[in-house]
Amino acid sequence: GAVVSQHPSRVICKSGTSVKIECRSLDFQATTMFWYRQFPKQSLMLMATSNEGSKATYEQGVEKDKFLINHASLTLSTLTVTSAHPEDSSFYICSAGRTDNMNTEAFFGQGTRLTVV
Amino acid sequence: AQTVTQSQPEMSVQEAETVTLSCTYDTSESDYYLFWYKQPPSRQMILVIRQEAYKQQNATENRFSVNFQKAAKSFSLKISDSQLGDAAMYFCAYKGRYNFNKFYFGSGTKLNVKP
Repeated sequence: GAVVSQHPSRVICKSGTSVKIECRSLDFQATTMFWYRQFPKQSLMLMATSNEGSKATYEQGVEKDKFLINHASLTLSTLTVTSAHPEDSSFYICSAGRTDNMNTEAFFGQGTRLTVV
Repeated sequence: AQTVTQSQPEMSVQEAETVTLSCTYDTSESDYYLFWYKQPPSRQMILVIRQEAYKQQNATENRFSVNFQKAAKSFSLKISDSQLGDAAMYFCAYKGRYNFNKFYFGSGTKLNVKP
């Protein structure tokens, strides 16, 4: 099966600082990756679609300047939470699909628990 | 827009018994995929089962099976011979056939398994 690695698994940062979360496809290429946010006991909400070599596509209501996404290679997408505030504390999950198969299921990273203090 | 609804926030089942989790969805697309994902306390999303909308036959994976009713836009998950390790959050998810890996998730059902 395909493996998606997300790092870090947990991070605590001070209010006003920025935090970068990495999402890597370890054994396959992924032209597209997705970033989700999950509040406690709630579902995954799609934040944005990360496209290799081009700008990310954000879902309605997601601040582009707050959540910066970069997809510089076929195996790496990063999500940077800028000027983090306590309300940004959440669980962030990335997913990716194999480029060679449009119809596969998504492979998810382990998630990152962000706590802003 | 596609929406996925899970009306059961929490359910309980006795070990070795059978339980059914409900899911309905709304879409104007004719071709799509439906999934059930499991999220244990570790928060890692694990694929349980997948159904292609163009297939009439219900998908089955060992103790897990679905009841897919396309006209009713219903997609329930049946877990037979429930095990303690089945305890988790279960999410129903929708993906358009040509919408590369863009998933829409339901709100989830927490499944408790009693020994």
